[in-house]
Amino acid sequence: ETGVTQTPRHLVMGMTNKKSLKCEQHLGHNAMYWYKQSAKKPLELMFVYNFKEQTENNSVPSRFSPECPNSSHLFLHLHTLQPEDSALYLCASSQEDLRGGRYGELFFGEGSRLTVL
Amino acid sequence: GESVGLHLPTLSVQEGDNSIINCAYSNSASDYFIWYKQESGKGPQFIIDIRSNMDKRQGQRVTVLLNKTVKHLSLQIAATQPGDSAVYFCAESTSGNTPLVFGKGTRLSVIA
Repeated sequence: ETGVTQTPRHLVMGMTNKKSLKCEQHLGHNAMYWYKQSAKKPLELMFVYNFKEQTENNSVPSRFSPECPNSSHLFLHLHTLQPEDSALYLCASSQEDLRGGRYGELFFGEGSRLTVL
Repeated sequence: GESVGLHLPTLSVQEGDNSIINCAYSNSASDYFIWYKQESGKGPQFIIDIRSNMDKRQGQRVTVLLNKTVKHLSLQIAATQPGDSAVYFCAESTSGNTPLVFGKGTRLSVIA
């Protein structure tokens, strides 16, 4: 148990569907992240939220839409995805010292395995 | 561009032997490094970290070595056990601004 819970663990969707991935952290952290993990590629940072404010958006297509209603919850809304979006989507959290601007250790969830047909 | 990578995609070791997993980074401004372990079907788990003001740090059965001169990072696992079988990632960040950047990973297989 890492303190970061992701649901669903597995998701199969068609290209015209709309679905959402959910992440909840029970660690009291102030920053949350979405990473994409594809086969044979490094983890790719998608979005970062510090104190509910989005601070990073690494050129992610608009078919991925993040939402952070509070510091404990993070969503990734999915619509009109492509087959190449099939991957493991990992949520993570961390406690950041915003005064120092330092990013540190990430605590990851188990991931949501997404398959786009 | 700046990147973090791993020298070998796979590594096989005999149970009980020591394992060494290597990582090269190209951003000379990187000053914080982490090793993660990812078992099949799970998310990455923190193993050990090191800041650039150190060149060695030890944990339980693991040691991380940092050579800033050649921008090289290594993870040493002593007395490797079957439970150590996993993919190992190095990650780096630069003080002040950047979230962690991950390498591709090395798959460690332990032969019983």
